[in-house]
Amino acid sequence: AQTVTQSQPEMSVQEAETVTLSCTYDTSESDYYLFWYKQPPSRQMILVIRQEAYKQQNATENRFSVNFQKAAKSFSLKISDSQLGDAAMYFCAYRSSTSGTYKYIFGTGTRLKVLA
Amino acid sequence: GAVVSQHPSWVICKSGTSVKIECRSLDFQATTMFWYRQFPKQSLMLMATSNEGSKATYEQGVEKDKFLINHASLTLSTLTVTSAHPEDSSFYICSARGGHHQPQHFGDGTRLSIL
Repeated sequence: AQTVTQSQPEMSVQEAETVTLSCTYDTSESDYYLFWYKQPPSRQMILVIRQEAYKQQNATENRFSVNFQKAAKSFSLKISDSQLGDAAMYFCAYRSSTSGTYKYIFGTGTRLKVLA
Repeated sequence: GAVVSQHPSWVICKSGTSVKIECRSLDFQATTMFWYRQFPKQSLMLMATSNEGSKATYEQGVEKDKFLINHASLTLSTLTVTSAHPEDSSFYICSARGGHHQPQHFGDGTRLSIL
């Protein structure tokens, strides 16, 4: 069975600085998807970035980028030029590409605090 | 695009009543919808997967008769918490997925409080 681990329950970053949130996963599959979702205090889950495992190039979305290391089964999220609005819970998620269920396996989350 | 609407956002009701939560995909057809439960400061726990026109697939430990799921159309799924009790109080979130390669898009969640 697949598992997703987020080893940092809480992280802090100074406004305008860069922070990296870690995520590791375990799977025997070769094709899958990985996601980072943000859950602000409003509690809506917002998709931040996604990565297809067959793509070697790391995904980027404006200030958000990932470091995808397939062999190491690592999928970290880098937030550059951190803003106060980035403060939220961040969840890493895995989705099989072949199982047919399309369900996510979520990590336990990392709470990011942004300091003014 | 890819907006999911969940209603109501907050409901308070007496123990023993049934509560229905709606999840709608507003601008896409959702072949699959998911229902999650989230306890304070915890991750999302998948309750069930719902495919349009077929019975929902429940995760282990989730009572089918307690949490009734209906996915009658490609844009609407409902979760009914039957005979709700205080231990059912929680935050319930739905999500919807369009095509095979599409991510899940989440609703705003429903805070359910049972007195």
